[in-house]
Amino acid sequence: SQLAEENPWALSVHEGESVTVNCSYKTSITALQWYRQKSGEGPAQLILIRSNEREKRNGRLRATLDTSSQSSSLSITATRCEDTAVYFCATDARNNNRIFFGDGTQLVVKP
Amino acid sequence: EAAVTQSPRNKVAVTGGKVTLSCNQTNNHNNMYWYRQDTGHGLRLIHYSYGAGSTEKGDIPDGYKASRPSQENFSLILELATPSQTSVYFCASGAGHQNTLYFGAGTRLSVL
Repeated sequence: SQLAEENPWALSVHEGESVTVNCSYKTSITALQWYRQKSGEGPAQLILIRSNEREKRNGRLRATLDTSSQSSSLSITATRCEDTAVYFCATDARNNNRIFFGDGTQLVVKP
Repeated sequence: EAAVTQSPRNKVAVTGGKVTLSCNQTNNHNNMYWYRQDTGHGLRLIHYSYGAGSTEKGDIPDGYKASRPSQENFSLILELATPSQTSVYFCASGAGHQNTLYFGAGTRLSVL
């Protein structure tokens, strides 16, 4: 079974709207990362939030982390067409350097 | 800026043939990773390495070998390629625990 899982599987919004992707994970972590993968490219990190942090911002992006419920969210405000991508959450494990990815959420931002 | 370069970008191989995918990083990161990505499965870890000379099995190592001859280079080897190994392969590097992974652009492999 997967250690990290995003939901929903897919989202579609219009430019300017806000959107939230959720992540649930199953292992004790030291940090959770959010990545974005545009078509034809490798994933690129958006935000890293450590287990002692509850919220992290990066421009229009805001990530939250709730270690008690083992969940995280990534919110994007004022979406743009170029935000169209697959969004992954990724968790580490406390005792090694492995990073576990979910299957991703496909976000489409329409003009 | 961090740089991870994969070669080749595209590869067509025959069943039973040997395939080597190469990855080079200029980040001086200790850790390197090989993932494969298939529709509906996200990124699955094949092999990873903590440094030159070390390789570790990931979640789906069967049918793959890895080699880390230097800090900069990490190869993925398919000794006997099969059609089920048709996929997109990504290499990544990272400085260590809690650190960002930097990905290459991927290698699209088709095994016919």
